[in-house]
Amino acid sequence: DIQMTQSPSSVSASVGDRVTITCRASQYTSTWLAWYQQKPGKAPKVLIYGASSLQSGVPSRFSGSGSGTDFTLTISSLQPEDFATYYCQQANIFPRTFGQGTTVEIK
Amino acid sequence: QVQLQESGPGLVKPSQTLSLTCAVSGGSINSGGYYWSWIRQFPGKGLEWIGNIYNSGSTHYNPSLKSRISISIDMSDNHFSLRLTSVTAADTAVYYCAREICPNGVCRFDPWGQGILVTVSS
Repeated sequence: DIQMTQSPSSVSASVGDRVTITCRASQYTSTWLAWYQQKPGKAPKVLIYGASSLQSGVPSRFSGSGSGTDFTLTISSLQPEDFATYYCQQANIFPRTFGQGTTVEIK
Repeated sequence: QVQLQESGPGLVKPSQTLSLTCAVSGGSINSGGYYWSWIRQFPGKGLEWIGNIYNSGSTHYNPSLKSRISISIDMSDNHFSLRLTSVTAADTAVYYCAREICPNGVCRFDPWGQGILVTVSS
């Protein structure tokens, strides 16, 4: 299985801050990587796929980059509705695997 | 737009079988190009992919669960199902169904059902 490791596990930030979350895969995964946002009591929602493609309807302040084993999710200017938990997921091989999550908290 | 809805018992006794159904609305489950998937989220918030089924009936299962799981698809009723046998407390989780779409081989889970909490307890 491909192990996905996110850092940090949590981050405290203020509205307007730039936030960066990283995800490292234990094996080469090309650009077959997606990012999800999850709010309490809700299902995850896809933000980014193919490492850098923005899902339709997702604000442009979200962006993704990376390839191979190292990936980044960036929120350029944090908004109140962005406080949530974010997960990366490799879509290269089965079984699909997820990172452990990064919680973005209000500072 | 396609919507998914999980249903099934919220409480299962240890050693019994967990059975869940995912109803698909707004589109046909027989449409090609999609993997119909099950994912669970443990109380500590970790996400685990359980497995999927294609409209052809072919399946992929997580090796960690392979001996205990079965995923089936019902074209006539537009739903797919999960069976997990010999459950223990470690199987307590929120179970989600999701569609995995892979245009040009670039895959992601979208949409997801709302999730159903299944507790394993006597």
